[in-house]
Amino acid sequence: EPEVTQTPSHQVTQMGQEVILRCVPISNHLYFYWYRQILGQKVEFLVSFYNNEISEKSEIFDDQFSVERPDGSNFTLKIRSTKLEDSAMYFCASSESLGHSNQPQHFGDGTRLSIL
Amino acid sequence: AQSVTQPDIHITVSEGASLELRCNYSYGATPYLFWYVQSPGQGLQLLLKYFSGDTLVQGIKGFEAEFKRSQSSFNLRKPSVHWSDAAEYFCAVGAHTGTASKLTFGTGTRLQVTL
Repeated sequence: EPEVTQTPSHQVTQMGQEVILRCVPISNHLYFYWYRQILGQKVEFLVSFYNNEISEKSEIFDDQFSVERPDGSNFTLKIRSTKLEDSAMYFCASSESLGHSNQPQHFGDGTRLSIL
Repeated sequence: AQSVTQPDIHITVSEGASLELRCNYSYGATPYLFWYVQSPGQGLQLLLKYFSGDTLVQGIKGFEAEFKRSQSSFNLRKPSVHWSDAAEYFCAVGAHTGTASKLTFGTGTRLQVTL
């Protein structure tokens, strides 16, 4: 079964450094998402992306965050200047379509980001 | 805005016993409801989904859930739990927001299975 893949599985970064988290969504999917889960807390929506632009972003997704689909297969999340509170598990998800079929979102295994 | 409440933070059941995990949602329109499971160190795996139609939905691994509009609930059930079901379970509601949809998750219920 096709799956969403995320790299790296664990990223350790110094505070203030830039970090890029990478995701390869399922190949025929058109909608892409990032979520994060701070340790011990619930999964929170960050951003959705469709047709090469952001569809919606949460209040967490401030100017330090950006997303990009640099080619036909990758979907990246960049944090420009990391803070301690950015430490979390970041999940990428993708879905095939919207509308009446309402295909569910399929999640990757996540990238654990640790800010020192 | 939509929200999800999972009132049980932690549940312990014996292997072979039945299981019900509670989920209540708040959403202004017809909800799209999901249950995901997360094993330690793993991602979120979709167990089942409700979009419309039959209010009792079957999922993977022998799980089922029943949508009750009058109670704003979408409880997850399994008739006989296996030790491998120990994990964290998340209920989520999906909302259309223009050209995409976002999921709002509950805080999760951690299931422990005793042998």
